[in-house]
Amino acid sequence: DTGVSQDPRHKITKRGQNVTFRCDPISEHNRLYWYRQTLGQGPEFLTYFQNEAQLEKSRLLSDRFSAERPKGSFSTLEIQRTEQGDSAMYLCASNNELRYGYTFGSGTRLTVV
Amino acid sequence: SQKIEQNSEALNIQEGKTATLTCNYTNYSPAYLQWYRQDPGRGPVFLLLIRENEKEKRKERLKVTFDTTLKQSLFHITASQPADSATYLCALDISTISNFGNEKLTFGTGTRLTIIP
Repeated sequence: DTGVSQDPRHKITKRGQNVTFRCDPISEHNRLYWYRQTLGQGPEFLTYFQNEAQLEKSRLLSDRFSAERPKGSFSTLEIQRTEQGDSAMYLCASNNELRYGYTFGSGTRLTVV
Repeated sequence: SQKIEQNSEALNIQEGKTATLTCNYTNYSPAYLQWYRQDPGRGPVFLLLIRENEKEKRKERLKVTFDTTLKQSLFHITASQPADSATYLCALDISTISNFGNEKLTFGTGTRLTIIP
């Protein structure tokens, strides 16, 4: 098991373009989370899946953001019509039960120019 | 409003001394409190979890305390080493029995710890 994988590690895009990130969780983990982190801040919750069901979405997740987890395995996070304010590190995490902590990926660093 | 505060944005400690980091919260009743380490450009790494009915948890040179009356957790690193230099994040589970299944962590802003040789 290689842990939580995120792809790409870095993404530079022009304002207005769409971007998609991928997360591969630890295979036996049924819960998957997306967080966003800006410089000097802690991670902020975006959305959460249990298996393929998206159980909660933050108010931070505007209608330009969409996340999927088909078949309860990998997940994708898409941002449409990117804005400069979307520049951040997007982190994916997985676990089976909260009491055992999250396993985070290394994140995708998005820069919108 | 709900808030998590990690006192000290940055903390410098002499090698070999004990580093103590503080996490205070308001308006939460967390079932669990967790501590993570984050190195630059990397995702957080889980260190320790403490439950609301536990006062103290230890793991090697790490110790966490949890005072639900004071709404505070202390995180200690004893015999600190330069390799302990990183940002440390506390995180609360604000799920309740009533919304079981919608569990998520809310993170503090972190404390950047530097261990000086």
